[in-house]
Amino acid sequence: GDSVTQMEGPVTLSEEAFLTINCTYTATGYPSLFWYVQYPGEGLQLLLKATKADDKGSNKGFEATYRKETTSFHLEKGSVQVSDSAVYFCALVVSSNTGKLIFGQGTTLQVKP
Amino acid sequence: EAGVVQSPRYKIIEKKQPVAFWCNPISGHNTLYWYLQNLGQGPELLIRYENEEAVDDSQLPKDRFSAERLKGVDSTLKIQPAELGDSAVYLCASSRAEGWDTQYFGPGTRLTVL
Repeated sequence: GDSVTQMEGPVTLSEEAFLTINCTYTATGYPSLFWYVQYPGEGLQLLLKATKADDKGSNKGFEATYRKETTSFHLEKGSVQVSDSAVYFCALVVSSNTGKLIFGQGTTLQVKP
Repeated sequence: EAGVVQSPRYKIIEKKQPVAFWCNPISGHNTLYWYLQNLGQGPELLIRYENEEAVDDSQLPKDRFSAERLKGVDSTLKIQPAELGDSAVYLCASSRAEGWDTQYFGPGTRLTVL
């Protein structure tokens, strides 16, 4: 079945460090891919998305490229801030299941000053 | 534009008691979702509505869970009776349409069953 696998956390970085959170997927159709972020005490917010192969989603300095050949959608940021501390979820939607988001288990990011 | 509204934000009940959660989606969003998020895990879909019709409830434990979306706007998710294992965060999301359209999430209701 369709699934998403993320790197386990927590990921602890110093401010201004480079961030990579790995995400790989398995899908029977042609998925759209998403990164959601959950700040402490808040709901899930869409961070970025990509709907077809080689698309790059970007927002707030974060980027992720839809790699069909490696079935990956890794999240990157060149210089993290303390305010980026949150839980990050990779997710997919496959057209055949009409809207059902399938999430990874989430990766906690802690950024220290 | 107002976001997805959920209430209550927190609920503590004893096992075997009933509980209900309410969701008001973003105005104009026809599709509404209820997700369950266990601690340390990603959300999992419970039920999806297109307007007032439940089009995917395959993951909803129907022996104790029920949901409704009267008039195709607000929705209520109910558990009766609650069990210890139901302690989790219940998330509501909405989108303009089904498929790949972006889903917007509410803050969730954190349920604790004692």
